[in-house]
Amino acid sequence: DAGVIQSPRHEVTEMGQEVTLRCKPISGHDYLFWYRQTMMRGLELLIYFNNNVPIDDSGMPEDRFSAKMPNASFSTLKIQPSEPRDSAVYFCASTLGALGETQYFGPGTRLLVL
Amino acid sequence: AQKVTQAQTEISVVEKEDVTLDCVYETRDTTYYLFWYKQPPSGELVFLIRRNSFDEQNEISGRYSWNFQKSTSSFNFTITASQVVDSAVYFCALSESWGGFKTIFGAGTRLFVKA
Repeated sequence: DAGVIQSPRHEVTEMGQEVTLRCKPISGHDYLFWYRQTMMRGLELLIYFNNNVPIDDSGMPEDRFSAKMPNASFSTLKIQPSEPRDSAVYFCASTLGALGETQYFGPGTRLLVL
Repeated sequence: AQKVTQAQTEISVVEKEDVTLDCVYETRDTTYYLFWYKQPPSGELVFLIRRNSFDEQNEISGRYSWNFQKSTSSFNFTITASQVVDSAVYFCALSESWGGFKTIFGAGTRLFVKA
């Protein structure tokens, strides 16, 4: 089975540009998570979805960040406009069902905003 | 509030040494789950183990073992006879039942295993 797929793997953009990160969860998983990893703040949960519905977006840093899940096999995280402080590795993870189930992570997207 | 503390920022050992990575957690919940993940230099996050709060049995998987002690709120991870390939950042994480699916990660411990 394919794991969680993220694209692009690397993204370099200039400040002010729009950035879209993509994620395909493991087939059949009903929860999808977006995390951000930085040296300063470690791994932070940004938002998570259950059955394509956003459940908790309290970790989204500000209005420049938005996430969607139009169907069970695809999610996007958009940053508009991007800023240098958004530079980080963004991970997508998915899991099936109940509390405590293991989250399986994608390879991450390394974003650099110049 | 839930919290995970990995006090060891970096550990350096010589190959074949045993090493223990500490994890201390805080929770007011009685039902919770603890995890360890490995992040090798390539960057991906690899699941290692999950333990629920009702199962305090220690677990061994090859050279890896985990010691869960509710009395001290610790979930420590030991690598026996370390190898260079064990060099990575290791994260301990906690999920509480009241918190839904929010998983809180510790800051991570970077392990260097020298040949």
